[in-house]
Parts: sequence; C-alpha cells; structure tokens
Amino acid sequence: KAGVTQTPRYLIKTRGQQVTLSCSPISGHRSVSWYQQTPGQGLQFLFEYFSETQRNKGNFPGRFSGRQFSNSRSEMNVSTLELGDSALYLCASSLADGRGTEAFFGQGTRLTVV
Amino acid sequence: EDQVTQSPEALRLQEGESSSLNCSYTVSGLRGLFWYRQDPGKGPEFLFTLYSAGEEKEKERLKATLTKKESFLHITAPKPEDSATYLCAVQAMYQTGANNLFFGTGTRLTVIP
Repeated sequence: KAGVTQTPRYLIKTRGQQVTLSCSPISGHRSVSWYQQTPGQGLQFLFEYFSETQRNKGNFPGRFSGRQFSNSRSEMNVSTLELGDSALYLCASSLADGRGTEAFFGQGTRLTVV
Repeated sequence: EDQVTQSPEALRLQEGESSSLNCSYTVSGLRGLFWYRQDPGKGPEFLFTLYSAGEEKEKERLKATLTKKESFLHITAPKPEDSATYLCAVQAMYQTGANNLFFGTGTRLTVIP
C-alpha cells in the first residue's frame, strides 16, 4: 500500500514569507503528526492532528500551525519565516489505537529560508 | 524532565563485526520505545516497538532489547547496506496521541566493506 506522501520535496523561501506543506497519510490512518528535524536539535515534535482536531502541540511558536481535513490529509503552515526555520519537515501517520502505536514517516520536505 | 540519550554518536564497523547501539531514557512512565533507521535525505523508517522491560524483537540482522532504563539495538554481522542513522524514540504514558515522540539524536553507523 502507498506510504506517507509529502509535497513538495524541496522549497526555498525568503525570510518573512509564509509556506504551506502538505501530507497525505497512509490510507486508514487517522493520526497525523509533524516533526522538525535539524542537525543541532534532531527530531522535534510540532503537533498532532486526529479527526481534524489538534490533539497535541510541541514547544514551537504560534507561527507554526496546521490543520487536518476530513480525508485525514494534513497541511502545515509557517508564517513570517525566519532563517532558523530551515529544516527537514517530516510528517508521520499512524492508526492511533491508543497505545504506543508505531508512526510511519514520509520522505520529508526540505525547507531552506534565505 | 523526559530525556533520550543515544550512544555512541557515530560508529564505524567492519563488515561482519557485530556491535550494539545504546538508548538510555528517563520518562515518567513508558508507553513505548521505538527504533527507527534513517538514510540521508529520507524520512525515518520504522524498525521496532518495545513496550515493557524484558521484551525483545528481531528483524534480519537487528535485535532490539529493553530494560527499565535503556534499550539496545544489536547488529549481528552487519553489511554495508546497514549503514544509516539509527534513531531511538520514547512515548510517555502522560502523552496522549499516537505520535508524540521524544527522539534521541541518533547513532550514525558506517559499515565498511
């Protein structure tokens, strides 16, 4: 079956702009989470969406936001981009059956802010 | 504070030379511990989930074990294609949702032919 699909794969944006990233989860998966990966900080949790509702949020500023649609697809938005937002943004989906359910990651979107 | 520490940061092995990667964690009640493999420029690939101390799981040349304070990823007779960064992540009991994971910074494994 198809895996997690993230688009676009690469983005170059200018400081101050905003950006929207997209994630299509594995069919049947209702939970979608977003992570930021940088060389210095590793993988850091941004937020999780389940049934179109944000269920958890990490320690990121309000410039980072997201949403989930009725088909479980999710988008992440970053406004007023800063140089430090350059990172690999990863989306993960899971069945969310209430236990430590394994998360399956997409290939990521490489965002470069110049 | 919940923490995940992986060691070593980098490891170079000759093909066939077995070794172990370590993941130490402190968490307020463990819901699950996860191992992932990540190749350069790609997303993490799920390997194992461990839920309770004493649990072990195997997949090809990899074997993951769990105690109350740490997990080991044992690599037996590694091949060059096992070269990757291996990530450990934990989910605490107080964390709701399936994907709210604390990740370690990983061990970068290089297997030399």
